[in-house]
Amino acid sequence: GAVVSQHPSWVICKSGTSVKIECRSLDFQATTMFWYRQFPKQSLMLMATSNEGSKATYEQGVEKDKFLINHASLTLSTLTVTSAHPEDSSFYICSASPGLAGEGDTQYFGPGTRLTVL
Amino acid sequence: QKEVEQNSGPLSVPEGAIASLNCTYSDRGSQSFFWYRQYSGKSPELIMFIYSNGDKEDGRFTAQLNKASQYVSLLIRDSQPSDSATYLCAVNRGRDDKIIFGKGTRLHILP
Repeated sequence: GAVVSQHPSWVICKSGTSVKIECRSLDFQATTMFWYRQFPKQSLMLMATSNEGSKATYEQGVEKDKFLINHASLTLSTLTVTSAHPEDSSFYICSASPGLAGEGDTQYFGPGTRLTVL
Repeated sequence: QKEVEQNSGPLSVPEGAIASLNCTYSDRGSQSFFWYRQYSGKSPELIMFIYSNGDKEDGRFTAQLNKASQYVSLLIRDSQPSDSATYLCAVNRGRDDKIIFGKGTRLHILP
């Protein structure tokens, strides 16, 4: 149980285009999902917390107009990188907490999406 | 003081030996503690979580929590080359329940 999927697993796009990444909880409902970004050889950086049915909460320094998050259902959150630029190239990872008994706030991660902006 | 601190490593351990990974945290209100493993180019995968003081064992892995000293550790017995990865410690922050990740310790198991 507690499986999280992401799509696509990798994407290459031209500078100025927008890219949408999907995060799905496959066997549980997630009222909260999290979006992280990780540059090569660097640590995980939390970008935003995605709440079903409400606006996402962005971390300091993350542009909410550039990284659009939509959490339309209990099993799907999307991250759209708008007007992508080469500096947005990174590994984007989502996670979710199923809230299982005895596991509390344990987060399970999706496999990640590698974005390359040319 | 950083909220979650880990030695970046690399920590080199001979195959078959015990690998010991340490993590300290600053928020005394923290209640949940996690260890994740991340292979290069992959996303983190949960190894185990611990909530109570003491030891928690799962196969070759043992998590140890000492809330008084504010540290949590992970022991890997009978280390295998496949254990070579970066190990992330994560702690929930008491004041807002946000999970804070350490920068990770790179572990290298020597064949």
